[in-house]
Amino acid sequence: GAVVSQHPSRVICKSGTSVKIECRSLDFQATTMFWYRQFPKQSLMLMATSNEGSKATYEQGVEKDKFLINHASLTLSTLTVTSAHPEDSSFYICSARLTNSLAGGTDTQYFGPGTRLTVL
Amino acid sequence: AQSVAQPEDQVNVAEGNPLTVKCTYSVSGNPYLFWYVQYPNRGLQFLLKYITGDNLVKGSYGFEAEFNKSQTSFHLKKPSALVSDSALYFCAVRDMRAGGSYIPTFGRGTSLIVHP
Repeated sequence: GAVVSQHPSRVICKSGTSVKIECRSLDFQATTMFWYRQFPKQSLMLMATSNEGSKATYEQGVEKDKFLINHASLTLSTLTVTSAHPEDSSFYICSARLTNSLAGGTDTQYFGPGTRLTVL
Repeated sequence: AQSVAQPEDQVNVAEGNPLTVKCTYSVSGNPYLFWYVQYPNRGLQFLLKYITGDNLVKGSYGFEAEFNKSQTSFHLKKPSALVSDSALYFCAVRDMRAGGSYIPTFGRGTSLIVHP
């Protein structure tokens, strides 16, 4: 099946440092990947849509200069949290869009296992 | 516009009993519906989806969901619950009309607790 990996699974950093999170689609190519943030016991908050070879589209209220997204290949998107602060501590989840051209172009999102970021 | 509602924050069921997790949706065109499950500190796992065809969709781990167009619902069901089914369940919808967003909208999630 479609597998998406994320690295690292857990990261602890000091305030003011930058953290990079990688999202990879392991057995399919994904022109589109998504980055979500999830607070405890809450739903997913879409942060941005990452398109291979172009700039990411950010949701309203998400600072693009703070959350840098790069989608340099069809299997890799990265999220860099720049100058992280304790309020950035959260669970970050990526997903990759698998398009089934044989089924009317319908698609399914497959999610990575998530990255727990703790900023001290 | 597309939206999805999961009216229950939590569902409690005894092991061996049938379970239902509710989901209702709103779209302008035809719906494309999903269920995902999330275990603690993990990402979401795809369970099943409905696009068209048979209203009863079978998915992973013995789960199924029933599409009801008149009630705009897509409830998740399982005939016999297991303790290991305890997790957070998300319903999602996408509007299939031409020009609609390809990004699904997720519900707020329902915590399923299966008691031994």
